[in-house]
Amino acid sequence: QVQLVESGGGVVQPGRSLRLSCAASGFTFSSYGMHWVRQAPGKGLEWVAVISYDGSDKYYADSVKGRFTISRDNSKKTLYLQMNILRPEDTAVYYCARDSFGRGDIDYWGQGTLVTVSS
Amino acid sequence: QLVLTQSPSASASLGASVKLTCTLSSGHSSYDIAWHQQQPGKGPRYLMKLNSDGSHNKGDGIPDRFSGSSSGAERYLTISSLQSEDEADYYCQTWGTGIRVFGGGTKLTVL
Repeated sequence: QVQLVESGGGVVQPGRSLRLSCAASGFTFSSYGMHWVRQAPGKGLEWVAVISYDGSDKYYADSVKGRFTISRDNSKKTLYLQMNILRPEDTAVYYCARDSFGRGDIDYWGQGTLVTVSS
Repeated sequence: QLVLTQSPSASASLGASVKLTCTLSSGHSSYDIAWHQQQPGKGPRYLMKLNSDGSHNKGDGIPDRFSGSSSGAERYLTISSLQSEDEADYYCQTWGTGIRVFGGGTKLTVL
């Protein structure tokens, strides 16, 4: 079955960097677009970024544009999120999610990894 | 601007039915959406893709108690025979060129 397992979260000081990873299994990773979605404590879901199946297209939410970079390694079946110049408002659980094939909805989610930005 | 609007909360009794609403912003009434469920302390779970014509495709293992419908700019999620485990946050989601948008979520309380 489809599994998405995030890692790399933790506590980081404002202005520093962190890289998240998402290991995928149970499907042909190289055929699907992938997303990062975050959820601040007690808040709703916020879409962060998407990458196409081959990594050629990437889009970002305005709130992270220029600071975050989404990437993937299809040979390792792994999705990444490089987060730079972190701010306290980036504190959230970060979810990896799969884009449905040829549609636009998200059809599978990981369990998330918590990122806390605090001095 | 592509925006989804949801009521913050809803409640219904155990065994009853409830209909949650997601409203698309002006000029976007033809958009398809998806519904997701998030139980307390868990990650989200995909429920279904709901098309503007009311047809829908459910995710793996989603019970028949969950169904979707559409009318104009409104997209609905109906849950029948409510069970305690249906108490959760429900989010609608849509998409445009290169972007994904979530509604603010509806917290469903099962009485």
